[in-house]
Amino acid sequence: DIQMTQAPSSLSASVGDRVTITCRASQNIGNHLTWYQQKPGKAPTLLIYAASILQSGVPSRFTGSGSGTDFTLTISTVQPDDFATYYCQNFFGSQFTFGPGTKVDIK
Amino acid sequence: QVQLVESGGDVVQPGGSLRLACVTSGITFRNFGMHWVRQAPGKGLEWVAYVQYDGGITFYADSVKGRFTISRDNSQNRVDLQMNSLRPEDTAVYFCARDLVVQGVRFFDLWGRGTLVAVSS
Repeated sequence: DIQMTQAPSSLSASVGDRVTITCRASQNIGNHLTWYQQKPGKAPTLLIYAASILQSGVPSRFTGSGSGTDFTLTISTVQPDDFATYYCQNFFGSQFTFGPGTKVDIK
Repeated sequence: QVQLVESGGDVVQPGGSLRLACVTSGITFRNFGMHWVRQAPGKGLEWVAYVQYDGGITFYADSVKGRFTISRDNSQNRVDLQMNSLRPEDTAVYFCARDLVVQGVRFFDLWGRGTLVAVSS
């Protein structure tokens, strides 16, 4: 099975900061990487799929990059609505795997 | 309006059974695979099960294989999760989610709000 890790597990940022979250797969997954945002008490929402394709309606300050085993989610200038937990996810074989999440909170 | 609405969550004793349902509207349900994903209190997301658009193929996480069964009724736009032999570690909010495949990449593009299952004596 593929294992997904994320770093950091949490971070504090101020509005306007640039934030970078990394996701690493235990083996080469090409571009089969998806990012979600989840706010407390809410369902996750889709941000980016195929490593770098922005879901319709998601602000352009979110970008995804990477391929193979190393991936990055970047928020260019963090806004108040962006404080949330972010998860990466992969599908391989018959298994769907999430990373452990990165919580972004207000400094 | 697109909606995925879960129901059936409850408090159940260890070893007990529960059946969750997810009813959808605003989507062509029969064209899409569907999933159940769960989240234990204060923890991350864990994928649970998948059913293909026609019910012909199912996948399960190792943690629930042999205990949970996913099924669907395309005439009612509904996907179910039958949960047997429940354990305290099954306590979680259970979300249903729509499967989407783009450029060969498979992910969850629509989610319900979730239903809470608590396994406790």
